[in-house]
Amino acid sequence: NAGVTQTPKFRILKIGQSMTLQCAQDMNHNYMYWYRQDPGMGLKLIYYSVGAGITDKGEVPNGYNVSRSTTEDFPLRLELAAPSQTSVYFCASSYARGTEAFFGQGTRLTVV
Amino acid sequence: DAKTTQPNSMESNEEEPVHLPCNHSTISGTDYIHWYRQLPSQGPEYVIHGLTSNVNNRMASLAIAEDRKSSTLILHRATLRDAAVYYCILRDLYSGGGADGLTFGKGTHLIIQP
Repeated sequence: NAGVTQTPKFRILKIGQSMTLQCAQDMNHNYMYWYRQDPGMGLKLIYYSVGAGITDKGEVPNGYNVSRSTTEDFPLRLELAAPSQTSVYFCASSYARGTEAFFGQGTRLTVV
Repeated sequence: DAKTTQPNSMESNEEEPVHLPCNHSTISGTDYIHWYRQLPSQGPEYVIHGLTSNVNNRMASLAIAEDRKSSTLILHRATLRDAAVYYCILRDLYSGGGADGLTFGKGTHLIIQP
C-alpha cells in the first residue's frame, strides 16, 4: 500500500518559472491537504480539499493554486515562482475531518 | 483551533521512558488532543489522539489531565529511532465553517542519547 505519494522529491526553479507538485493517495480518502514547512518551523496549511471538485484556502494560499478532479489526485500549482516559496512541501490525506492524517515524504523546492 | 505550548527540546536516554508535556489551557469541550511526530527529513507521522480518557496504542500512551488543560505523551521505552520533533495539536471536529487541517507549532525536539 503506497499511501501518499509526492513527486518530485527535489526541484530547483528559477524566479518566475512555474511548476506543478503532484500528490496521489490510494486510500480512497476524501480529505487532502497541502502544507509547506520552512526551516525550523512547523507546517502551515496552503490549501485543502474535502472531496473531488471542492477546494478551499488554508493559512498561506497566496501564490498557489490547486485542483481536485479525482479522489486520488491533488496537484499544487506554483505560478511565477518567488524565492519566498523556497520550502519543503507536504501533501496529506485523511478519511474525514479530524481523523488520522497520512503524510507524503515531501518535495524540497528551491527558487533561485 | 486552540493553542498549545510545548518545551522546545527534551533529552532522554535510550531504553528509558520519556514524558513529553503539552499545555492547552484554552481547550474547548470538543477539541481532541492529537500528537504527531516528524523524523528527520520525513513527513509528519500520526502517533495518538484522545478526548478525555487516557489512550494507549502500540507507539505510545496519552495521559490527559482531569481538567484537560494539559496532556503528556509517554514513550515507554525510547529508542534512537524515536528521536524526532513531536507536535501536540488540538483538533475540533465540530467547528463547522472553519478551515480544516492541522495547526502545527514548533513542537518539542526529542533527543535520545545512546
